[in-house]
Amino acid sequence: GAGVSQSPSNKVTEKGKDVELRCDPISGHTALYWYRQRLGQGLEFLIYFQGNSAPDKSGLPSDRFSAERTGESVSTLTIQRTQQEDSAVYLCASSLVRSANEKLFFGSGTQLSVL
Amino acid sequence: KNQVEQSPQSLIILEGKNCTLQCNYTVSPFSNLRWYKQDTGRGPVSLTIMTFSENTKSNGRYTATLDADTKQSSLHITASQLSDSASYICVVSEGSQGNLIFGKGTKLSVKP
Repeated sequence: GAGVSQSPSNKVTEKGKDVELRCDPISGHTALYWYRQRLGQGLEFLIYFQGNSAPDKSGLPSDRFSAERTGESVSTLTIQRTQQEDSAVYLCASSLVRSANEKLFFGSGTQLSVL
Repeated sequence: KNQVEQSPQSLIILEGKNCTLQCNYTVSPFSNLRWYKQDTGRGPVSLTIMTFSENTKSNGRYTATLDADTKQSSLHITASQLSDSASYICVVSEGSQGNLIFGKGTKLSVKP
């Protein structure tokens, strides 16, 4: 596609429910990242995928968070038993490969509100 | 601890005026420094990427500077426009794998 696409753009859920967020990276980009952006805070790294390599899950805040990616295509971020502190914008980014100088392209994010 | 600090937190200027945003970092090993623009409700968009050997880089009315000795960077916006209203995020890339350390951003409002 022309850019990184994320859905839904907004999600309101009740505390305790599970949510699934979707990211469709730019075609041909092997690297895919998930970030969380809380109000007034910098982006926090969550998880990274590079091709068929094992993902880097070091940023996931708890075992309620998980993500999958099939090959070099769509990724889903799942949050189980949502808590109010999970409310944030979840941003997905992709790049051709993972290297220090590679430019990242971001989606518009999913605004998650947990009531 | 790897950190990126930005100032000011927010800024209001009149259309047509210039402004400068600051970024200080303590990231090691340093790979590069990036400035992103994030419009409300959108993802960040890259403005500039500077490596250790680059002192300045321009992108239209945006000019970024880097002083790797003092670990400081600035983003200068010339002849501001209403569309420049956004958050500007300084990001430092660490190490060979490019782990990104994000600042909290400066929220710029350009008023007519």
